[in-house]
Formats: sequence, structure tokens, C-alpha cells
Amino acid sequence: ETGVTQSPTHLIKTRGQQVTLRCSSQSGHNTVSWYQQALGQGPQFIFQYYREEENGRGNFPPRFSGLQFPNYSSELNVNALELDDSALYLCASSSPGVRDETQYFGPGTRLLVL
Amino acid sequence: AQSVSQHNHHVILSEAASLELGCNYSYGGTVNLFWYVQYPGQHLQLLLKYFSGDPLVKGIKGFEAEFIKSKFSFNLRKPSVQWSDTAEYFCAVIPFSGGYNKLIFGAGTRLAVHP
Repeated sequence: ETGVTQSPTHLIKTRGQQVTLRCSSQSGHNTVSWYQQALGQGPQFIFQYYREEENGRGNFPPRFSGLQFPNYSSELNVNALELDDSALYLCASSSPGVRDETQYFGPGTRLLVL
Repeated sequence: AQSVSQHNHHVILSEAASLELGCNYSYGGTVNLFWYVQYPGQHLQLLLKYFSGDPLVKGIKGFEAEFIKSKFSFNLRKPSVQWSDTAEYFCAVIPFSGGYNKLIFGAGTRLAVHP
């Protein structure tokens, strides 16, 4: 176990709805990264939060947004859900700014959009 | 664009067979390299990592990987697989470009080990 927790574990939504996923980082880690893993594919980087600011973003539309809180936990929000948003959403925590940064993953939230 | 290629999508082996999973990346600068494993019903776990130094790195459960810079490769090996190695294996890189560190993953290799 990595100490990274995510909630909920599973979620079913319909097209057009909004969803919020949550992540608690490992103790001592101040950076959270979010990834989307579609079926049969490797995880794709969505964005990263460091000290409550978005630190970097992958090729995802603005309807994917996030927050990081003072305790370093984080939320991923997706608005106007589309069928293609069905995926496993992974959160990873790390301590950045060092050459040997390693990201540790949580169990993921599986989202199904109908 | 930066990318990671894993050569085999599905591999089937018998117990005690040797394993080698290929991984190539496209980035000319400094990289950190990782192999993650996802056992059935479990979360993504770090198997091993390379940052610098000896290009042959050893990880958990008898796995090792060799970084060959000239070939942009980071192949994973295990001399003798066990049924419990059945899992999906992901190669990933962090390309250092002066900003934040994001992992770029390959598509994964699904390994099935038969008793």
C-alpha cells in the first residue's frame, strides 16, 4: 500500500453531468498528479498540483479542472461528461523538486458514463 | 512528441520461463525511467526505477531492467517467472524539460503465467 487513497471507488454518471473525484496524498508528499487510464491503454497525464496551484497540464479540455487543499489532498472535477470520459482515474502523490521524484499511485476511481 | 512504446501487448509464459518485456522511448534529453505493475484487482505499484548510475537496476520480486541510452530502451527482465507474476506491466518515463515532472506511460503489456 502506498498511503494514497481515492474516493469513491466506482461511480456511474450520465452524459452531461458533473463529477468530483477525491484524492488524499501520501504523508510527506505535497504534489498530486492526476491520470486517466482508458480501457486497454496506459495512464494519460491530466494535470499536476503543487502547493495548491496547477503546476502543469496535459492534453485535456478545460472541463477537466482540479483543486489542491492546504493539507495537499486534491479533487478532480469533470464537467459536461461525455461517454469517452469513462475510464479509471488515478491519483499519484510525490515530493517534487528533486532529481529522483517518484510518483506513488492510489487505487483509482472507475467512472462509467452512460 | 514524447512517447513510450512497449513492444508486446500480450505475453503468455509457463512458470519458470524467462521474461523480457521491451520498452523504448522517444526523447533526446535526460529521463527518469520506471516500470510499474498492476496485479489483478490491485493498484499500480512501482516495480523499479532508474535515475542515474549503474544502468542495470534491480527491483522487487526478482525483476531487473537495463537502461541502454544509445537505444533509448529500458527492457524489463526476470530469469524465472511465477504464476503470481500474472499482471499488466507499464513502462514509463519522466522527461526532464525544466518544468514539472509528468509520467509518460506505454500502453502496457499483459502477462499471463500458466502453472
